[in-house]
Amino acid sequence: SQQGEEDPQALSIQEGENATMNCSYKTSINNLQWYRQNSGRGLVHLILIRSNEREKHSGRLRVTLDTSKKSSSLLITASRAADTASYFCATDLSGSARQLTFGSGTQLTVLP
Amino acid sequence: DADVTQTPRNRITKTGKRIMLECSQTKGHDRMYWYRQDPGLGLRLIYYSFDVKDINKGEISDGYSVSRQAQAKFSLSLESAIPNQTALYFCATSDTSGNEQFFGPGTRLTVL
Repeated sequence: SQQGEEDPQALSIQEGENATMNCSYKTSINNLQWYRQNSGRGLVHLILIRSNEREKHSGRLRVTLDTSKKSSSLLITASRAADTASYFCATDLSGSARQLTFGSGTQLTVLP
Repeated sequence: DADVTQTPRNRITKTGKRIMLECSQTKGHDRMYWYRQDPGLGLRLIYYSFDVKDINKGEISDGYSVSRQAQAKFSLSLESAIPNQTALYFCATSDTSGNEQFFGPGTRLTVL
């Protein structure tokens, strides 16, 4: 089964609104990463948060990590139509020789 | 990402045929990965290589083989393709920190 599970599976919002996606995982991690995938294209790395960090910002992105709950959230503020994509969390498991395990993704649609 | 290229981009083949997917990178990274993506399942790791002499099985290696011909090249082979290998295949690279993976544009493979 997948290590990371995103919630919701699909999200539709209006341009300018904030979008929040959640990721839950099962085992101890070194870090957690978020990637974006535009339709049919390769994934692009957005942000990495380490297991000893609780919050991280990058531009309009805010990521939180709660290791006690084994969960993370990705917030995109002031969304734009160009943010329409699938978003995946990926966990770098402790002792995994730095492999990433990807969740099944959240499909975000931002309506103009 | 132009730094990681995959050929072919699309391929239609028949059951039982041998297929090779190729990946090249100009990022100078030691680590290379092959993933497959199926609708609703995120990415699953097939094989990975941490240097030219290193090959490791991932989560779903059965029915696949790989060759790391050089630091810059990592090929994925399907010895005898079957229809449930129809998927989108991605190559990725990372440096030794493994903190961020860089993805190619993907190969869409259809096995009839």
